[in-house]
Amino acid sequence: EVQLVESGGGLVKPGGSLRISCGASGFTFRTYTMHWVRQAPGKGLEWVSSLSHTSTYIYYSDSVRGRFTISRDNTNNSLFLQMNSLRAEDTALYYCARGAYSMELWGTGTMVTVSS
Amino acid sequence: SYVLIQPPSVSVAPGQTATITCGGNNIGSKSVHWYQQRPGRAPVLVISDDDERASGIPERFSGSNSANTATLTISEAEGGDEAEYFCQVWNSDSPHPGVFGPGTWVTVL
Repeated sequence: EVQLVESGGGLVKPGGSLRISCGASGFTFRTYTMHWVRQAPGKGLEWVSSLSHTSTYIYYSDSVRGRFTISRDNTNNSLFLQMNSLRAEDTALYYCARGAYSMELWGTGTMVTVSS
Repeated sequence: SYVLIQPPSVSVAPGQTATITCGGNNIGSKSVHWYQQRPGRAPVLVISDDDERASGIPERFSGSNSANTATLTISEAEGGDEAEYFCQVWNSDSPHPGVFGPGTWVTVL
């Protein structure tokens, strides 16, 4: 089955760090650009970061640049987001998504809560 | 940064046509993608590249894009179409190219 499954979310204190993961199956992961998109409770979608299939091109939103790092392991079909210096406003459901310029496949998300 | 504008809500009667707009500066020069998100669910791609229906999406859904406005049209609206709809562009000229619109909640009543 073609799917993306996020994991690693949880409760973290402000200023803390967390690494979330996205496991891919059912397709040739190494050929796809991948994205992280988040959604704060009751809010809209916010693009966070994107990574090309060979990791040549990396992009971040202004709100996370310098604090978050996107990476991938094409051998193990996984996408990661290392999140440092977390803030309350980073609290959201984090989705990974597949696609070049559109996002045609989404996971179900992993919840990250930043609170003391 | 590039900004997309959507109306917060649209209402449509069953069987009628809903039109959802996505405004942006010269958006007609960009490819616009549309997503449907039902409550508690992950987004689903509905339209890519202005007017290409994604796999499994009914023909009732169509898209267009010109000048400063892209449009998602839902014909013969059904109760199952009630959801939030987000437009999105990839702004290649920007160091932070991913952009979503704020979303439009479609009510079928």
